[in-house]
Amino acid sequence: TQLLEQSPQFLSIQEGENLTVYCNSSSVFSSLQWYRQEPGEGPVLLVTVVTGGEVKKLKRLTFQFGDARKDSSLHITAAQPGDTGLYLCAGGSQGNLIFGKGTKLSVKP
Amino acid sequence: GAGVSQSPSNKVTEKGKDVELRCDPISGHTALYWYRQSLGQGLEFLIYFQGNSAPDKSGLPSDRFSAERTGGSVSTLTIQRTQQEDSAVYLCASSPPGRVNQPQHFGDGTRLSIL
Repeated sequence: TQLLEQSPQFLSIQEGENLTVYCNSSSVFSSLQWYRQEPGEGPVLLVTVVTGGEVKKLKRLTFQFGDARKDSSLHITAAQPGDTGLYLCAGGSQGNLIFGKGTKLSVKP
Repeated sequence: GAGVSQSPSNKVTEKGKDVELRCDPISGHTALYWYRQSLGQGLEFLIYFQGNSAPDKSGLPSDRFSAERTGGSVSTLTIQRTQQEDSAVYLCASSPPGRVNQPQHFGDGTRLSIL
C-alpha cells in the first residue's frame, strides 16, 4: 500500500516567519502535487512536480521533489495570514492520486 | 458555472436512511473522483471513473456505498442505511483527458451529518 506521510501535522507561526512542510513516502511516484484547502472549500492545486530533483517556485512558495521521487517539501518564505490553510500533498499512481493527511498551517498577524 | 458543482452543500439525515450526493464535473473532463474527508483530515479515495472504462471501486468502504456516472458526465454517490461513522465531507473532483495524474479540480463538497 502506498502511503504519504506529511509533517508536521499542525503548525502555528507568526506573520513573517519562514516554514517548511514535508511529504514522505517509501514508494516512488510518477508525479507529486501540492494542494491548499481552506475551510468549507475543496482543495486547490498549487503545483505539480514530475522530475526527480525538480524545484518550482510560486511567489513565496518553493516546492522540491526528491531525487528518488519519494518525497517532497514545501517552503514558505515570510508567511502571511492569507497562507493559512490545510496543505495536502498527493502522489500520482495508476490513474488516481494518493493523498497525505495534510499539514494544517495557521499564520497569525 | 465553470467549476465542479456538488449538491446538496449540506445534508442532515437520520441513521438508517439512504442519501444521494450529486456531482457535476467540469465540461469535457473525462475523469471523475469521489473522496471522503473527516474533520480536518486528509482525503480518503472512494471511487474513480475514467471515460467509458469500468470504475475503480477499490476505495469504497462497504457495500452500502455505490456510485454511478451517467453519460460520462454527472455522478451520483449513494450511501444506503447510513451510519454515524458516515458523517464527513464528501468531495468530488474531475480532471481533463490526457496523460495520467492530471491535476484534479475539486468541488466544495457535501457536508453529511448522520444523527
